[in-house]
Amino acid sequence: DAGVTQSPTHLIKTRGQHVTLRCSPISGHKSVSWYQQVLGQGPQFIFQYYEKEERGRGNFPDRFSARQFPNYSSELNVNALLLGDSALYLCASSPPRDSNEKLFFGSGTQLSVL
Amino acid sequence: GESVGLHLPTLSVQEGDNSIINCAYSNSASDYFIWYKQESGKGPQFIIDIRSNMDKRQGQRVTVLLNKTVKHLSLQIAATQPGDSAVYFCAENRAETSGSRLTFGEGTQLTVNP
Repeated sequence: DAGVTQSPTHLIKTRGQHVTLRCSPISGHKSVSWYQQVLGQGPQFIFQYYEKEERGRGNFPDRFSARQFPNYSSELNVNALLLGDSALYLCASSPPRDSNEKLFFGSGTQLSVL
Repeated sequence: GESVGLHLPTLSVQEGDNSIINCAYSNSASDYFIWYKQESGKGPQFIIDIRSNMDKRQGQRVTVLLNKTVKHLSLQIAATQPGDSAVYFCAENRAETSGSRLTFGEGTQLTVNP
């Protein structure tokens, strides 16, 4: 079975540009979450979507947005990129129950902002 | 602030020894805890989880202990192998949060010496 897949794997952008990151959850999983992991730190929660609705948002500026599609895949958009947005962006999916469940992570998209 | 943290940033052990990785949490409302392993260039990989109504849970070569009195979580790895070398994160999920929003600690780098 395929795990969580993310694309692209690496991305280089310049300040002020925007970026779109994509994620496909594990088949049958309806919840997708996004996390940002800065080098040397643990992942930080950005968004969670369940059944195409936003269920939670972390402490990130409005430049960050996301959406979930009918097939449960998801996109994370970041506008007006800053140098500090350079990080590994992780997508995770969780089983169908809307409750505390373990997250299954993809390998992430490494974003470098120059 | 409320956070999950680790006592030691690095841990070095000999192959075959047992490893113990510690984690302290501050939110008494947390009811679900997870340990993840992250290898370089990869996303976090689920190891084991435990709910707050349990004190101990065992998996294959791993054991998680939860002490709610002192808000302490530990991961024990038996007969540590070179393939266990990675960064280990503990994470908590709070009871009042809908869905799955994990708060991660900073991580412990485990190095296994042959």
